[in-house]
Amino acid sequence: ELKVEQNPLFLSMQEGKNYTIYCNYSTTSDRLYWYRQDPGKSLESLFVLLSNGAVKQEGRLMASLDTKARLSTLHITAAVHDLSATYFCAVDKDFGNEKLTFGTGTRLTIIP
Amino acid sequence: DTEVTQTPKHLVMGMTNKKSLKCEQHMGHRAMYWYKQKAKKPPELMFVYSYEKLSINESVPSRFSPECPNSSLLNLHLHALQPEDSALYLCASSQGEGASGNTIYFGEGSWLTVV
Repeated sequence: ELKVEQNPLFLSMQEGKNYTIYCNYSTTSDRLYWYRQDPGKSLESLFVLLSNGAVKQEGRLMASLDTKARLSTLHITAAVHDLSATYFCAVDKDFGNEKLTFGTGTRLTIIP
Repeated sequence: DTEVTQTPKHLVMGMTNKKSLKCEQHMGHRAMYWYKQKAKKPPELMFVYSYEKLSINESVPSRFSPECPNSSLLNLHLHALQPEDSALYLCASSQGEGASGNTIYFGEGSWLTVV
């Protein structure tokens, strides 16, 4: 059974600081998704990573994928309050069907 | 247009009621999904439709019945639900099987409360 774990589960950080969220998964997959969810809202797609070594950046967020280590990271640079949200990684274990198994989620709070 | 539209946004139903959740997308996507999300938990996959055919049912109880009338619409029929079924129900869509680099787009969700 595929397991997807994120850490930390909760992260409180000051504006302007850098930090990294980690996503580990238990079985082979070369598709890794990152989503953002604001309280009471739906999921916003951030990144789709499709191969080993893939790196994507958008604004202050950068995601990478190491399929050999079964690890993805979401790096936050110079955090701002607007980035406060819950971040989920998700792994596609059924190539072509986008059958996603989501990680536990990381609740990020940016403190002024 | 990258929109997945769900109705209703909020639904309160009794345990003997029959109701339906509706989902619509006009992106030409051929795969559509239902996910269930309990409070402070990650979404869990319920059903996958690929080219209007049910391709995945994640052992969901029969009181949840999906239907895909056409490639743009996805319904979730609800009957004899239990209070523990109260959750946010998310619809999603993507280009579908065989297409690489798919982004999966989620709707705003339907908040369901079973009383």
